[in-house]
Amino acid sequence: KQEVTQIPAALSVPEGENLVLNCSFTDSAIYNLQWFRQDPGKGLTSLLLIQSSQREQTSGRLNASLDKSSGRSTLYIAASQPGDSATYLCAVLSGADGLTFGKGTHLIIQP
Amino acid sequence: NAGVTQTPKFQVLKTGQSMTLQCAQDMNHEYMSWYRQDPGMGLRLIHYSVGAGITDQGEVPNGYNVSRSTTEDFPLRLLSAAPSQTSVYFCASSNHKQGQPQHFGDGTRLSIL
Repeated sequence: KQEVTQIPAALSVPEGENLVLNCSFTDSAIYNLQWFRQDPGKGLTSLLLIQSSQREQTSGRLNASLDKSSGRSTLYIAASQPGDSATYLCAVLSGADGLTFGKGTHLIIQP
Repeated sequence: NAGVTQTPKFQVLKTGQSMTLQCAQDMNHEYMSWYRQDPGMGLRLIHYSVGAGITDQGEVPNGYNVSRSTTEDFPLRLLSAAPSQTSVYFCASSNHKQGQPQHFGDGTRLSIL
């Protein structure tokens, strides 16, 4: 059974810092990995999708990498802003059923 | 741009009542799914569908039924609500076979008293 772990569970940093969120998964046979953002009381917003054949994806200040063989992904946020405060979820697609999610990293950017 | 629409947004039920959570998407996606999100547990897959007329169970299907009569709609039915089903429910859709990202609705917050 696929399991996804996100470290750290919570993170608080001053505005302007670059930061890295980590995601690991136990079964390397995945189709893709997706990073989401969730604001309190809201739904999930897709940030980046990395196919199993890709190494990284970038969108603005966000960069996600994938090392499928070691079962790891990182989400890099450059020049963090208070508006980046949210919970970040990592999810992998490893079968025809659905996504397996980590429990998320709760991020607070201090002004 | 409607995307994935879930109704209702909030609902309070009494134990034993039944109800249907609605989910509709306007992107002609083949794949649709339902998740529940609980504190400390993350999101878990309840049921999914790879196309009209086809449904299957996910990780936590007990107490829930689904059907997929059209491509657009994927309702989730609670047959006899229990307090353990108090949760936030999310519907998602995607062009699954093409490896496209999954799109989520805004969720239904359900409380069972």
